[in-house]
Amino acid sequence: GQQLNQSPQSMFIQEGEDVSMNCTSSSIFNTWLWYKQDPGEGPVLLIALYKAGELTSNGRLTAQFGITRKDSFLNISASIPSDVGIYFCAGLNTGTASKLTFGTGTRLQVTL
Amino acid sequence: DGGITQSPKYLFRKEGQNVTLSCEQNLNHDAMYWYRQDPGQGLRLIYYSQIVNDFQKGDIAEGYSVSREKKESFPLTVTSAQKNPTAFYLCASSMGVRLAGAPSSYNEQFFGPGTRLTVL
Repeated sequence: GQQLNQSPQSMFIQEGEDVSMNCTSSSIFNTWLWYKQDPGEGPVLLIALYKAGELTSNGRLTAQFGITRKDSFLNISASIPSDVGIYFCAGLNTGTASKLTFGTGTRLQVTL
Repeated sequence: DGGITQSPKYLFRKEGQNVTLSCEQNLNHDAMYWYRQDPGQGLRLIYYSQIVNDFQKGDIAEGYSVSREKKESFPLTVTSAQKNPTAFYLCASSMGVRLAGAPSSYNEQFFGPGTRLTVL
């Protein structure tokens, strides 16, 4: 099965810095979801996007649904130590019986 | 509290033995899913079920089996035919999209805490 390309694969940043990551696909999706996974735990849904061009915020997190419907972006502002984890994007087409296609993940580490 | 539970958190089995992983949800969700996660990788879909007594193969169904006899339960059996069973297994659920005109949010999947299976 297809997996979406996420970049960067990993990043080390200092507390207080802003973070940007993106997710690209060779095919179109009509829904994009962003999840965060802590070590040994299940992913937690952060943001859901339903319309091309949509920009949605959740606290310090902002995500965008790309105009081409083949990409999505996640920004974290003023990072804090608890932002550490793996961030996954997931694309969905409602015509495919609710099957999510997941990205390869971006591992974020925040230093003090 | 509403949510998805998976048990046990850690499971050890000898090679050649079948093992069943539990997944229960009290969110009244129609759809349930099983994913496998290997170290440093994303999630791959094993099986999914949109309604009771019905399920479909995902991308990596070989060596696994499921049942959906109750809305709230979707157990996964890892059989001896699965060549590399050691992995982190995640169960998820969503409201489902069987209804025409259902909101897009019905597709959002919510995950359980996972079961780490180690085959010795």
